[in-house]
Amino acid sequence: EAQVTQNPRYLITVTGKKLTVTCSQNMNHEYMSWYRQDPGLGLRQIYYSMNVEVTDKGDVPEGYKVSRKEKRNFPLILESPSPNQTSLYFCASSFHENTEAFFGQGTRLTVV
Amino acid sequence: QQQVKQSPQSLIVQKGGISIINCAYENTAFDYFPWYQQFPGKGPALLIAIRPDVSEKKEGRFTISFNKSAKQFSLHIMDSQPGDSATYFCAASSSGNQFYFGTGTSLTVIP
Repeated sequence: EAQVTQNPRYLITVTGKKLTVTCSQNMNHEYMSWYRQDPGLGLRQIYYSMNVEVTDKGDVPEGYKVSRKEKRNFPLILESPSPNQTSLYFCASSFHENTEAFFGQGTRLTVV
Repeated sequence: QQQVKQSPQSLIVQKGGISIINCAYENTAFDYFPWYQQFPGKGPALLIAIRPDVSEKKEGRFTISFNKSAKQFSLHIMDSQPGDSATYFCAASSSGNQFYFGTGTSLTVIP
């Protein structure tokens, strides 16, 4: 089944403790992105990647890191999480730029 | 600054009625305008999309109307059904796959 898989689905952590949210797609897509969804703010793009080793900042990249060492994986790294990064995070992938994006099921992160 | 402004925030429609959600943008470099539908606990899924070379696109009960000169686009859901109850997001992007989403519209269709 074609899908984007995120792990974990739920995560509660403490301020400053480094964490990684994994994202993997099995559709051989070139493009991958990370978004955060907050009430009243919609979806905001954090980082996106056009291919292996090619990444760029989205609208809200501060406090996040990404890497794209393999085509199928695009992990999101929070080196020192803070409470304002409490949010619902989505990974997405697409075959070409500006085409249909397929979203994962989301990761609900709480930083206390 | 919100690159894509979406309204209304919430919408209640009777079954069989027409649901209309509006979006406006400023950046004339945007050349791809998708609409996504999201059900509770799920990720967004593409509903319909349009590029600025056409003024309207229809897929089943869903229609996008696009007004390039006004920098506005809207989603029309004809014969709205309770199963259409969801959150809808408009979005816009230019080259490079950088996307800007609206703030979302929560649609409730009453039986």
